[in-house]
Amino acid sequence: AQTVTQSQPEMSVQEAETVTLSCTYDTSESDYYLFWYKQPPSRQMILVIRQEAYKQQNATENRFSVNFQKAAKSFSLKISDSQLGDAAMYFCAYKRGETSGSRLTFGEGTQLTVNP
Amino acid sequence: NAGVMQNPRHLVRRRGQEARLRCSPMKGHSHVYWYRQLPEEGLKFMVYLQKENIIDESGMPKERFSAEFPKEGPSILRIQQVVRGDSAAYFCASSRRGDTEAFFGQGTRLTVV
Repeated sequence: AQTVTQSQPEMSVQEAETVTLSCTYDTSESDYYLFWYKQPPSRQMILVIRQEAYKQQNATENRFSVNFQKAAKSFSLKISDSQLGDAAMYFCAYKRGETSGSRLTFGEGTQLTVNP
Repeated sequence: NAGVMQNPRHLVRRRGQEARLRCSPMKGHSHVYWYRQLPEEGLKFMVYLQKENIIDESGMPKERFSAEFPKEGPSILRIQQVVRGDSAAYFCASSRRGDTEAFFGQGTRLTVV
């Protein structure tokens, strides 16, 4: 079974600084997707960034980027120029690459605090 | 294009009652997933449905829980004879195809008193 581990229950960062959230996963599959979701106090799950396992290039979305190390099964999220609105719970998630569809497996989350 | 709509947002039930949670997927989406989030925990998969079919229910408790996604209308997650341990946030997500990203609703917070 696939597992996702986020070893940092809490992280904090100063506004405008950079922070990296860690995520490791375990799978025997070769085709899969990895995601970072953000959950602010409103509880809405917001997709931050997505990475296809077959792509060597790390995904980037504005201030958010990932460091995808496939051999190490590591998928960290870097937030640059942190803003107060980035404060939220962040979840790393894994999904098998089946066109017929498959579940997301989530980590336990990292609570990010942004200090002004 | 409206997002994934879940209702109600908040639901209070007494122990032993039934809870019915509704999820209307985004327009054009035929894949629906249900997840449960207990306090201070991550989301746990419950069930994956396509129109009129349950594809994967390996995350559903064996008793009291059921789900459907009829040809017409929303997907329904039904919990019979609720207990205190069912108190959680229940999220629905939908996708256009199985290999595309899923978009989440705002969740239903169920409180069992």
